[in-house]
Amino acid sequence: DQQVKQNSPSLSVQEGRISILNCDYTNSMFDYFLWYKKYPAEGPTFLISISSIKDKNEDGRFTVFLNKSAKHLSLHIVPSQPGDSAVYFCAASARNNDMRFGAGTRLTVKP
Amino acid sequence: SAVISQKPSRDICQRGTSLTIQCQVDSQVTMMFWYRQQPGQSLTLIATANQGSEATYESGFVIDKFPISRPNLTFSTLTVSNMSPEDSSIYLCSVAGGTGVPNEQFFGPGTRLTVL
Repeated sequence: DQQVKQNSPSLSVQEGRISILNCDYTNSMFDYFLWYKKYPAEGPTFLISISSIKDKNEDGRFTVFLNKSAKHLSLHIVPSQPGDSAVYFCAASARNNDMRFGAGTRLTVKP
Repeated sequence: SAVISQKPSRDICQRGTSLTIQCQVDSQVTMMFWYRQQPGQSLTLIATANQGSEATYESGFVIDKFPISRPNLTFSTLTVSNMSPEDSSIYLCSVAGGTGVPNEQFFGPGTRLTVL
């Protein structure tokens, strides 16, 4: 069962614009959410996270928003840069540290 | 952060054979994990590699198919046994972060396996 879903396999935006990557989950027991970024031939690297007690977490150009009632989170990148082009994975975990990943969204930022 | 290397980086194998993937970490870590990413799919946890005891497998994965070794706190291997084309995937090892970010994991670069 796919408890974490990223319904957009790809996204293309212009440099300088905002990128919005979306993620939905089904398990109400998830209480911690992470975003990972993956470049080709490299493993995923941690980008930003948010606890279920918050609805927003910001780190520089990256902001994650959590809507618990809708079981939805999103990653905003603004302004987008060509170096942000990568695959972005959403992940969710419950207290037992069992982490579930989405299938990823490939972001392309065009110069 | 931990630096993780995997060998081989990629391989093409014949069905029915087995491949052992190595994962080396530059520091001692308690928690090591093995994931699989099939084409177009999410990262799926295969098992947690436990040092000094048998690995803990997730639902749908069994020791006979994916035997795992964890001889010490810096090294682990995953064997994909009796391979079929359905085993074609990227296999990644990861370690728990220990950075204070809950559930953060550091990933190796992955092993891209193609089974013919």
